Amino acid sequence: DTEVTQTPKHLVMGMTNKKSLKCEQHMGHRAMYWYKQKAKKPPELMFVYSYEKLSINESVPSRFSPECPNSSLLNLHLHALQPEDSALYLCASSQAPGGRETQYFGPGTRLLVL
Amino acid sequence: SQQGEEDPQALSIQEGENATMNCSYKTSINNLQWYRQNSGRGLVHLILIRSNEREKHSGRLRVTLDTSKKSSSLLITASRAADTASYFCATDKGFKTIFGAGTRLFVKA
Repeated sequence: DTEVTQTPKHLVMGMTNKKSLKCEQHMGHRAMYWYKQKAKKPPELMFVYSYEKLSINESVPSRFSPECPNSSLLNLHLHALQPEDSALYLCASSQAPGGRETQYFGPGTRLLVL
Repeated sequence: SQQGEEDPQALSIQEGENATMNCSYKTSINNLQWYRQNSGRGLVHLILIRSNEREKHSGRLRVTLDTSKKSSSLLITASRAADTASYFCATDKGFKTIFGAGTRLFVKA
């Protein structure tokens, strides 16, 4: 199984809502990532989990809260988001942590904040 | 901050033609990777070239790396309409992967 799955595919939420994005991989990868991608821009790194521990937080606002319940799952909890947070949120995993590793991406969750 | 810059930003060619995309980066790297993204989807890894390699092939893809110029190129030969996508170079910066701005390729049937 070489797939990274993400749910939901689409999400519309108001600025007062609380929602969660989910990501799952069964490749035995020990690093997982959240990226944010705006239209016609490259993915921007948000968080890196290495061996289930948060290793990198790219100064992301606290309204985004990552969680790694186990080595296969990665969540991104959303609360009090702003319209400018509307974007494609991509999850990825790699066998080991590090910029040298090939990353496997999920299809993304397209988020619209109203 | 972006490590890689790509050109052209957009490229439109006819099916059967070759497509060349270039990537320049700023600091020393251990490897450089190319990824492809179909519209609104996740990225798919295409090829990895290590800093001690100069050229690598994979099917219709040819990647070159010139560490002295801090640049790489991706050549897609005999392009197909299905190659229409955005292509990103990615370099390692410590524990992070930094993506270039990307080239949007459109292959007309």
